[in-house]
Amino acid sequence: ELKVEQNPLFLSMQEGKNYTIYCNYSTTSDRLYWYRQDPGKSLESLFVLLSNGAVKQEGRLMASLDTKARLSTLHITAAVHDLSATYFCAVEDSNYQLIWGAGTKLIIKP
Amino acid sequence: DVKVTQSSRYLVKRTGEKVFLECVQDMDHENMFWYRQDPGLGLRLIYFSYDVKMKEKGDIPEGYSVSREKKERFSLILESASTNQTSMYLCASTLDGTSGREQYFGPGTRLTVT
Repeated sequence: ELKVEQNPLFLSMQEGKNYTIYCNYSTTSDRLYWYRQDPGKSLESLFVLLSNGAVKQEGRLMASLDTKARLSTLHITAAVHDLSATYFCAVEDSNYQLIWGAGTKLIIKP
Repeated sequence: DVKVTQSSRYLVKRTGEKVFLECVQDMDHENMFWYRQDPGLGLRLIYFSYDVKMKEKGDIPEGYSVSREKKERFSLILESASTNQTSMYLCASTLDGTSGREQYFGPGTRLTVT
C-alpha cells in the first residue's frame, strides 16, 4: 500500500526566507504532483514530475523528484506573502489513483 | 525540553455543556494547534494560532472556538458539547521559521460527552 508523508505539516516563516517542503512515499511510483490550495478554494495543480531527476520551476517555487529515494521536494525561494497556502503532494499508485500527503500549511508573514 | 501541558487528561461532560480545554507551552513558541484524533481518521486540525490573538480555522472548526490571549496559552472551547465531539484532543506547539518546525504535542485530553 502506497503511503505518502509530507513534512512539515505547518510552517510559518518571514518573507524573504528560503525553505523546503518534503514529500516521501513508500513504494515505487512514476508520477508525483504538487498542488496548492487557498482557503475555501479548490486545489490548483502546480507541478507534475514524471521521471527521476525531474526539476520544474515556476516563479519562486521549484519542485524536484528523486524516484530512487522516493522523495520529492518543493523549494520556496525568497518567500512572499502571496505564497501563503496549503501545499499538497500526491503520488500516483499502480491503479492510477492519487494518494495524498497530509498537506503543508504555509504562512508567510509580511 | 519543551513542555506542552493540557489541563485535563480525561474529561466527561454532558451534552449541551460548555467545555474548556486549556493548553500551555513553556518554550515561547509562536504557533499553537488544536487537533482531534479519532480512530481511522488520523489527526484533524481544528484551529491553530500563529500569534497572540491570531487564529485560523483548520479542517473541522465547526462547533469549536479558540482563544489565545497570551503567547503560552491556547484554549479550545466547545460552546455546547455534543456526543460527536467525543474524541481525543491534542494540543501542539512549534517555533516559527526554519529551525523549529517540529511540532511538540501535549499528552492529550480524552473527552467523553454523554
